[in-house]
Amino acid sequence: NAGVTQTPKFRILKIGQSMTLQCAQDMNHNYMYWYRQDPGMGLKLIYYSVGAGITDKGEVPNGYNVSRSTTEDFPLRLELAAPSQTSVYFCASSYSLESTQPQHFGDGTRLSIL
Amino acid sequence: QKEVEQDPGPLSVPEGAIVSLNCTYSNSAFQYFMWYRQYSRKGPELLMYTYSSGNKEDGRFTAQVDKSSKYISLFIRDSQPSDSATYLCAMSGNTGRRALTFGSGTRLQVQP
Repeated sequence: NAGVTQTPKFRILKIGQSMTLQCAQDMNHNYMYWYRQDPGMGLKLIYYSVGAGITDKGEVPNGYNVSRSTTEDFPLRLELAAPSQTSVYFCASSYSLESTQPQHFGDGTRLSIL
Repeated sequence: QKEVEQDPGPLSVPEGAIVSLNCTYSNSAFQYFMWYRQYSRKGPELLMYTYSSGNKEDGRFTAQVDKSSKYISLFIRDSQPSDSATYLCAMSGNTGRRALTFGSGTRLQVQP
């Protein structure tokens, strides 16, 4: 009963380094999302995908890239890490885009950039 | 001004109390209103959703929407220590792109 799995759980990066946050879901959901959660700011949508090969920008996409080669996986790439990208990153998936359908979240990746 | 405002708390109540959590919003286009619960070091999980105005009840939880006042509430009856978590409100204006706007969350502590 895995649901949405995110790796790693924690990571510390130096400014300018790059890394990929991994996200995998086993619910056969077509729709997947990446959010960041900053203290006192709520969750902000970075990118989302409506299926393999289809991605689109959310509210705060600058500094990030995504790809969706399979239904299960939706990695998030940081190319040149900056201190402003210190945050908790959540991946989510849903059965459809209908607002009444729940988005299932992973447990997050806590990223610090120093 | 944020599009969705939520008091960050923490809100501390004794076990068995009735809890009231609230959000205000400014975008009159919002039609769908959700409450997520987030335990420490975990991802949010959907607790309840409501479409347009009115009330919805699910066990000890009641969600209330007042679109005329742009105000939504979540009531928790007979609160339990296991209800201690951060509660996030979320809203969306249509079912198209599924863009949810989240409040910043209210941290609730239920004391045994």
